[in-house]
Amino acid sequence: GAVVSQHPSRVICKSGTSVKIECRSLDFQATTMFWYRQFPKQSLMLMATSNEGSKATYEQGVEKDKFLINHASLTLSTLTVTSAHPEDSSFYICSAKATGNIQYFGAGTRLSVL
Amino acid sequence: QKEVEQNSGPLSVPEGAIASLNCTYSDRGSQSFFWYRQYSGKSPELIMSIYSNGDKEDGRFTAQLNKASQYVSLLIRDSQPSDSATYLCAVNGAGNQFYFGTGTSLTVIP
Repeated sequence: GAVVSQHPSRVICKSGTSVKIECRSLDFQATTMFWYRQFPKQSLMLMATSNEGSKATYEQGVEKDKFLINHASLTLSTLTVTSAHPEDSSFYICSAKATGNIQYFGAGTRLSVL
Repeated sequence: QKEVEQNSGPLSVPEGAIASLNCTYSDRGSQSFFWYRQYSGKSPELIMSIYSNGDKEDGRFTAQLNKASQYVSLLIRDSQPSDSATYLCAVNGAGNQFYFGTGTSLTVIP
């Protein structure tokens, strides 16, 4: 299957700082990438759909000014959590859509905000 | 009504048995269906994709799709303890939206 790389895998930061997470499709071009958040023992929650060359589409209740998404190329999307607070601590997962409408997931980023 | 519904479980089966996971969806125009496996603390990994009615087999896994009943299932034969995970059903709707179920937790007992 296709490979999606996500970095960093884990980040610990102080409250008020910003954190950038990168998602790369390594062996295919992805016009669409997705960003999810998952709290412990809960299901995936779609935050936004990222389309190359255009603005991301955010799900209801997700603050676009807090979670900045940039999809500058067909292989890279970034999520920046701005002014992170402890309640933003979660497991963030990206995915990229490949041929056949299949989503391939990155390994995830565990964010801990102190 | 949720777009994709799964029984959250937990589902427990003995080692070597068949595990049956079920999923229903609401968008009748959906064309693509997927099963993902997610181990605790890890991201989902694709197990199967299915696009047409009937069965699709891959090793110990069989996906079954019935578009008339809006039902997709996953059978795991000869279940192993390493199959213990949460299984997510995903559907690509007619509007190209992607919907995930909440997942079914499977435990295979040695």
